[in-house]
Amino acid sequence: GAGVSQSPSNKVTEKGKDVELRCDPISGHTALYWYRQSLGQGLEFLIYFQGNSAPDKSGLPSDRFSAERTGGSVSTLTIQRTQQEDSAVYLCASSSALGLASDTQYFGPGTRLTVL
Amino acid sequence: GDSVTQMEGPVTLSEEAFLTINCTYTATGYPSLFWYVQYPGEGLQLLLKATKADDKGSNKGFEATYRKETTSFHLEKGSVQVSDSAVYFCALSRSGGSYIPTFGRGTSLIVHP
Repeated sequence: GAGVSQSPSNKVTEKGKDVELRCDPISGHTALYWYRQSLGQGLEFLIYFQGNSAPDKSGLPSDRFSAERTGGSVSTLTIQRTQQEDSAVYLCASSSALGLASDTQYFGPGTRLTVL
Repeated sequence: GDSVTQMEGPVTLSEEAFLTINCTYTATGYPSLFWYVQYPGEGLQLLLKATKADDKGSNKGFEATYRKETTSFHLEKGSVQVSDSAVYFCALSRSGGSYIPTFGRGTSLIVHP
């Protein structure tokens, strides 16, 4: 079946503009995660959804960042008034979230965001 | 809290050399341990995992053994190829905790012909 998809693959925007990043998880996966990967850095956790609710938003860097998930499927990450430090690759992952420690995360290819 | 520590890279090797990438962890309980690999321009994908002490995960010639006594999960391969050039991430996940895995910072591997 299809894997996790993300769109757009690349986004170039001007400082101060808003952007929306989209993630389509694997069908049937109830858990969805957003991460940020800056150049040469590891993964920075942003937010986690279980179904449509987000029990953990602790990783969102500021109130300019928000995310939603509808129908237990597609998720969008919105960054308002983008800043240059927002430039990074934004990765989405999904898992079946059976509640097991052995659950594997399946990652999308990422969206590369460049803020000029 | 939980943490994962990986050796810093880049690790540079010649083709057919032996590879070890060290990973140690701190976690309560009995976590599952993972290695993910990220090839250039792609997202992460699972390479192997182990769910209990002394388990060995293996895939594509890579192996890692879950050592609870040393809280380690070192990644090894006997003979690397140029196509193994990628960034490797060690990670852990705990049952009973949050569903958010803890990732290491990643180790870049560069294999020369």
